[in-house]
Amino acid sequence: GAVVSQHPSRVICKSGTSVKIECRSLDFQATTMFWYRQFPKQSLMLMATSNEGSKATYEQGVEKDKFLINHASLTLSTLTVTSAHPEDSSFYICSAPTSGSSYNEQFFGPGTRLTVL
Amino acid sequence: GENVEQHPSTLSVQEGDSAVIKCTYSDSASNYFPWYKQELGKRPQLIIDIRSNVGEKKDQRIAVTLNKTAKHFSLHITETQPEDSAVYFCAVPPYGNNRLAFGKGNQVVVIP
Repeated sequence: GAVVSQHPSRVICKSGTSVKIECRSLDFQATTMFWYRQFPKQSLMLMATSNEGSKATYEQGVEKDKFLINHASLTLSTLTVTSAHPEDSSFYICSAPTSGSSYNEQFFGPGTRLTVL
Repeated sequence: GENVEQHPSTLSVQEGDSAVIKCTYSDSASNYFPWYKQELGKRPQLIIDIRSNVGEKKDQRIAVTLNKTAKHFSLHITETQPEDSAVYFCAVPPYGNNRLAFGKGNQVVVIP
């Protein structure tokens, strides 16, 4: 399957700081990427759809000014958690559908464990 | 939005037995039905998927069956092994687009 990477894999930060997470498609181009958040023992909750060349589409209840998304190229999307607080601590995972797929196959990055102190 | 439900939430099986978990969805326009396996702290891995034009697909010990009329699809794992222990998520693209709505997951525990 297609390969998606994320960086960093783990980050611990102080409350009030901003954290940037990168998601890269390594062997394919992704005009669309998805950002999910997963709390312990819960399902993946879609936060937003990242679109190359245009604004991200946020799901209901997700603050776009808090979770900044930039789809800089066909292989890179970044999620910045601004002014992070302890309640933002979670597992953040990106995914990308393979180019040209009409059947929505999505491949996930390894995730980023964010801990806000 | 798309309503995706999984049952049972937890399933324990003896090693070697079969496990079946079911996923129901609400949008009759959905045409793609994947199952993901997630081990603790790891990324979800696509293990099998099925399109709406077929009723069953098999890959070694894993199979997926689809009932579009009843709007549900099931994951079948035969000859279970301890490494099958994980959380399994079904997902459905709502309204025919490429976003995925995930179910809450099934915790499968294979007892050696």
